[in-house]
Amino acid sequence: EDQVTQSPEALRLQEGESSSLNCSYTVSGLRGLFWYRQDPGKGPEFLFTLYSAGEEKEKERLKATLTKKESFLHITAPKPEDSATYLCAVRESLSSGSARQLTFGSGTQLTVLP
Amino acid sequence: GAGVSQSPSNKVTEKGKDVELRCDPISGHTALYWYRQSLGQGLEFLIYFQGNSAPDKSGLPSDRFSAERTGGSVSTLTIQRTQQEDSAVYLCASSFTSGSVGEQFFGPGTRLTVL
Repeated sequence: EDQVTQSPEALRLQEGESSSLNCSYTVSGLRGLFWYRQDPGKGPEFLFTLYSAGEEKEKERLKATLTKKESFLHITAPKPEDSATYLCAVRESLSSGSARQLTFGSGTQLTVLP
Repeated sequence: GAGVSQSPSNKVTEKGKDVELRCDPISGHTALYWYRQSLGQGLEFLIYFQGNSAPDKSGLPSDRFSAERTGGSVSTLTIQRTQQEDSAVYLCASSFTSGSVGEQFFGPGTRLTVL
């Protein structure tokens, strides 16, 4: 069973057309939810960390929100340079008290057309 | 260097051969991670090093995979007797401390192709 599911797999927007990407997760104890951006041929670039339900983070045209079951990455008035794959990852608490390493979703490939 | 570097950027090998992939983390970062990314997939955790502690090898898919980190800096991921299913992009990341585990800085990756 997938612990982290991202939707949609791909999204095409016109420049200026706002939308949201979804990351749903099923972990017993969340120690953090992370958003990354990945451009073709490059490694992921860290965007946000969210720790508790209700938390929100913003950076330029991006805003990440968190509930107990999912996170949304809202993109307001996107530009072509926002085109990338957006990855979501979670860190889960273990019964030992430590935490599992990051589990990544498969990503949403965003294309913003001029 | 300014960021995480990996070498080689591309590696083509024949099935059954051994390969070594190298990662130079950001200076001063104590935590180092290896991931594998197959086409259209998310990142799959392989192994984690933190300072002088024993590495977390829980993500290694088989005993053909191993990694070491010398002097708390450079790391090498070794894949023995490569198989076609090992073809993927291998990404290395580092972070300042394990407490900032989500804020990892990634290298550009090594694209491995096993023929």
